[in-house]
Amino acid sequence: EIVLTQSPGTLSLSPGERATLSCRASQSVSSSYLAWYQQKPGQAPRLLIYGASSRATGIPDRFSGSGSGTDFTLTISRLEPEDFAVYYCQQYGSSLSYTFGQGTKLEIK
Amino acid sequence: EVQLVESGGGLVKPGGSLRLSCAASGFTFSSYSMNWVRQAPGKGLEWVSSISSSSSYIYYADSVKGRFTISRDNAKNSLYLQMNSLRAEDTAVYYCVFGYWFDPWGQGTLVTVSS
Repeated sequence: EIVLTQSPGTLSLSPGERATLSCRASQSVSSSYLAWYQQKPGQAPRLLIYGASSRATGIPDRFSGSGSGTDFTLTISRLEPEDFAVYYCQQYGSSLSYTFGQGTKLEIK
Repeated sequence: EVQLVESGGGLVKPGGSLRLSCAASGFTFSSYSMNWVRQAPGKGLEWVSSISSSSSYIYYADSVKGRFTISRDNAKNSLYLQMNSLRAEDTAVYYCVFGYWFDPWGQGTLVTVSS
């Protein structure tokens, strides 16, 4: 089973700053099957990035994803007030198996 | 518009059973594998179970194996999760999702296991 480890656990930044969130896999992950989600309190998760670097429909271009192999990154170029939330990475493995990272909480400094 | 509507959650005692349903619309349900994902209060996301499009392949997380059963009815565009021998640690919001990455998500259904 592939384990996804996200860092940092909590990231404290101010609006306008750049956020860099990391997702590290215990073994190589196909870039095609790596996704990022945003979740706000009381809401279901929302897909941000799929295929490691493709933005989902309606996602602003300040969100970008990169990486390959075991190291993936979600970057928010310039934080807006509505971006403060919890972010999860997720991978699809073989045989209909999925795993999520434990999440990174992005909070206002 | 793709829609996933979960239902069937509620309060159940430890050791009890519950059956969750997910009504899907806006896509060709019979062409996609389907999944259940859950989120305990204040915790992260956990994949629970997957079922292939024709029900030929079924997988479970170790935490629910032997207690939960996933099924689907392609004629009714519906996904199910039969949950038996429920434990306090099964308390969570349960979501049905599909695809290699999950979009969209429904509102989920809350299962509370408590005496």
